[in-house]
Amino acid sequence: GQQLNQSPQSMFIQEGEDVSMNCTSSSIFNTWLWYKQDPGEGPVLLIALYKAGELTSNGRLTAQFGITRKDSFLNISASIPSDVGIYFCAGQLGLGAQKLVFGQGTRLTINP
Amino acid sequence: NAGVTQTPKFRVLKTGQSMTLLCAQDMNHEYMYWYRQDPGMGLRLIHYSVGEGTTAKGEVPDGYNVSRLKKQNFLLGLESAAPSQTSVYFCASSDRDRGSYTFGSGTRLTVV
Repeated sequence: GQQLNQSPQSMFIQEGEDVSMNCTSSSIFNTWLWYKQDPGEGPVLLIALYKAGELTSNGRLTAQFGITRKDSFLNISASIPSDVGIYFCAGQLGLGAQKLVFGQGTRLTINP
Repeated sequence: NAGVTQTPKFRVLKTGQSMTLLCAQDMNHEYMYWYRQDPGMGLRLIHYSVGEGTTAKGEVPDGYNVSRLKKQNFLLGLESAAPSQTSVYFCASSDRDRGSYTFGSGTRLTVV
C-alpha cells in the first residue's frame, strides 16, 4: 500500500531552537495533515493543507503542501517544553474513508 | 464536548480471552475507524465504517471484528487474544466533507 516516509524519526533539541520535519511519498495526495500526539493521548490535528503550494501557520507552527503534491514539511519555531511529543504527517488521496495514510512519526525531545 | 471517547483505557488479557473495545463519538460523523499503534510502525488501520450497519477491512484486520449498530458507536472485538495484539488502539471519526480525523485517547491492551 501507500507509504509516507517521515524524517527524522527522532530529534533532541534545546529549548528555543527551531524544528523542521518532513514527509515524502511516491503517491500524490490531495490533502496533507499534521498531527501531534502527547504521551498517553491520541493524535490531535495541528494543521490541514488542501492545496499544492499552500503555506499555513498556526502560532509557532508552519506547514507547507509541496508543489509536486508528494511532500510536506512542518516547522516549529522557538520550541518550548510543551512541544514535546510525537508528530505525525498524514496524506489523503481524497475525501472519504480509508484514504488517510500516516507517516511513522517524529519523536521530539526538548532539553530545557 | 466529548468528541471521541474510548473505553476501557487499559486492559490486560490472557492469551485466548476475548474482549470488546467501545468507541463513541458525539459529532454526528459518518465515518469511524480503528487503528493500532506499535513502536516504529506508526498508525495502522484495522477496520473502518462508512456508516451505520457497514464495516470494511483495513490494512491489518486479521484477528479483529467490528460492528457499527448505531451511528455514534463503533465496537472492536478480539475473539481470541494473542500476544501479537498487544498494542495501543485508537478510534477515530470523520465526516464526509472534511478529511481531518478526530481521535480518541486510546486503549492500551496487553495480552500475556
